[in-house]
Amino acid sequence: NAGVTQTPKFQVLKTGQSMTLQCAQDMNHEYMSWYRQDPGMGLRLIHYSVGAGITDQGEVPNGYNVSRSTTEDFPLRLLSAAPSQTSVYFCASSSGLGSYEQYFGPGTRLTVT
Amino acid sequence: GNSVTQMEGPVTLSEEAFLTINCTYTATGYPSLFWYVQYPGEGLQLLLKATKADDKGSNKGFEATYRKETTSFHLEKGSVQVSDSAVYFCAPHNTDKLIFGTGTRLQVFP
Repeated sequence: NAGVTQTPKFQVLKTGQSMTLQCAQDMNHEYMSWYRQDPGMGLRLIHYSVGAGITDQGEVPNGYNVSRSTTEDFPLRLLSAAPSQTSVYFCASSSGLGSYEQYFGPGTRLTVT
Repeated sequence: GNSVTQMEGPVTLSEEAFLTINCTYTATGYPSLFWYVQYPGEGLQLLLKATKADDKGSNKGFEATYRKETTSFHLEKGSVQVSDSAVYFCAPHNTDKLIFGTGTRLQVFP
């Protein structure tokens, strides 16, 4: 199993550009989530999904969209990038069903200039 | 919602010293408790967990005991190594909205 994969590893955007961060898992996990990590701020939850077709907002959802059309994939879209979105983004999954152990991807480092 | 308080870092220790990283939490109900570790340049990975009161989680020489009466889950290790240098996150989980704290950076010097 590859576990949780994220692409790209690094990305530089200009203010106003759009892009999609990809996340996929091959463990048949129902639960997937996106976090951003900033210095001194720990991990903050952006959006999460408890299954295909179901998404909900986390702590810091503004400026980000998600969808969950399949169990495997959970892309994160930035419609109009801003410098405040410069961060490291992590995708995570878990099996749900009362098991909350999270499996994390390697992260995407995004810089918005 | 859930929340967690961890001690401010960085925690700086010499090799073979004793480690304690404090963690207290607030949560509705009885959450499972987790410690995750993040090595430089990597994502988080599970270090240990405990699912009910008085359970002790352990892994790689680290231990933590689920204390319901004090809502705490302090991480301990008897003798740290340079390779333990990382950021450690305590996390109570019992809802679909999974929240982490700010983490505690541990630096171990030879």
